[in-house]
Amino acid sequence: GAVVSQHPSRVICKSGTSVKIECRSLDFQATTMFWYRQFPKQSLMLMATSNEGSKATYEQGVEKDKFLINHASLTLSTLTVTSAHPEDSSFYICSARVSGLSSYNEQFFGPGTRLTVL
Amino acid sequence: KNQVEQSPQSLIILEGKNCTLQCNYTVSPFSNLRWYKQDTGRGPVSLTIMTFSENTKSNGRYTATLDADTKQSSLHITASQLSDSASYICVVSGGATNKLIFGTGTLLAVQP
Repeated sequence: GAVVSQHPSRVICKSGTSVKIECRSLDFQATTMFWYRQFPKQSLMLMATSNEGSKATYEQGVEKDKFLINHASLTLSTLTVTSAHPEDSSFYICSARVSGLSSYNEQFFGPGTRLTVL
Repeated sequence: KNQVEQSPQSLIILEGKNCTLQCNYTVSPFSNLRWYKQDTGRGPVSLTIMTFSENTKSNGRYTATLDADTKQSSLHITASQLSDSASYICVVSGGATNKLIFGTGTLLAVQP
């Protein structure tokens, strides 16, 4: 099946620093990638949708200047949390989708990145 | 409002027993319904995906059913194993933007 990787798997940083998380589709080309955030004991919340070569579309309430998304190639999307604060501590999960791969428009999820901001 | 509700919120069963998890949704228009397994600290892994024309689908010991008329789905786990301990999330694709709408999950604990 399709594999999506994320790097790093966990990161601890100081408040005020920026953190970059990478999401890669390993064996397929992803025309669309999604970034989710998950707080403890809650379900995934969509932050933004990114299409290769175009600007990301952010969900209501998500600050685009704080969560920078770049989808520079069909296999790589990055999420940069700028000027991180403790309230940004969360589990960040990406997913990738290939349009037309199946009638289900299936999304394949990465393993997640645990961000802790001190 | 497009919503996905799951029950029970949590469940404890003994190893080897069967269990059934429930999902009700109010998403319209409906595209498909998915069940995911999410281990603690990991990303979701797809178990089944069904469109409105499919009313049952199996994946090993997991069997999902879908009743598009009543907008209900269930996930049945047979002969549970300790490794089945995880959160099971019902996700519906649909709505005006055809995005994924997540349920809050059922936390399953399988005990020896």
